[in-house]
Amino acid sequence: DTEVTQTPKHLVMGMTNKKSLKCEQHMGHRAMYWYKQKAKKPPELMFVYSYEKLSINESVPSRFSPECPNSSLLNLHLHALQPEDSALYLCASSQLLAGGTDTQYFGPGTRLTVL
Amino acid sequence: AQKVTQAQTEISVVEKEDVTLDCVYETRDTTYYLFWYKQPPSGELVFLIRRNSFDEQNEISGRYSWNFQKSTSSFNFTITASQVVDSAVYFCALRGLIQGAQKLVFGQGTRLTINP
Repeated sequence: DTEVTQTPKHLVMGMTNKKSLKCEQHMGHRAMYWYKQKAKKPPELMFVYSYEKLSINESVPSRFSPECPNSSLLNLHLHALQPEDSALYLCASSQLLAGGTDTQYFGPGTRLTVL
Repeated sequence: AQKVTQAQTEISVVEKEDVTLDCVYETRDTTYYLFWYKQPPSGELVFLIRRNSFDEQNEISGRYSWNFQKSTSSFNFTITASQVVDSAVYFCALRGLIQGAQKLVFGQGTRLTINP
């Protein structure tokens, strides 16, 4: 089972709203990732959590705030977003295997529109 | 620096034709991993294959086959007897063992359209 789930599937929010994206996996993976994907572009890495600790932050603006409550859950808290933040937000997870034989499995994404 | 180039932005073929998607990569790592992902219109990236740099054996899975050539830094993907359900954006990606060990470097993607 290589399932990563994300909720909601679609989200429309105003620039003054606060919302959260949720990602969940039950594969025992110890690394979880947030990506942002604009139309006709490849995914761009935002954050990586390894063993529930933030290991990579790709200089993402503070209006995006990640949280990893436990090894199965990853949240992305959104506040005061801009219209250019509208995109597909993808979550991924991986086993974090030694030796590098690590594969990231992606969820279906949340399509975010900021008005 | 690591880089993946997918020179073909869009490909359109008629069903049952064979089609090859090109992927060329750059890395200074001696050990690295190459991936192909499929992204259908629904948005989810579906993992297709991982290839280790020390294993140049080509692989076939049903109608899919992959040709890895270290000498030309290429990892091409061929779909035989294409079907409409193969229509998607395909991404080639690279991950080094040392450089950015947790980061996938994606190519720009190739949009494949299979026409009935």
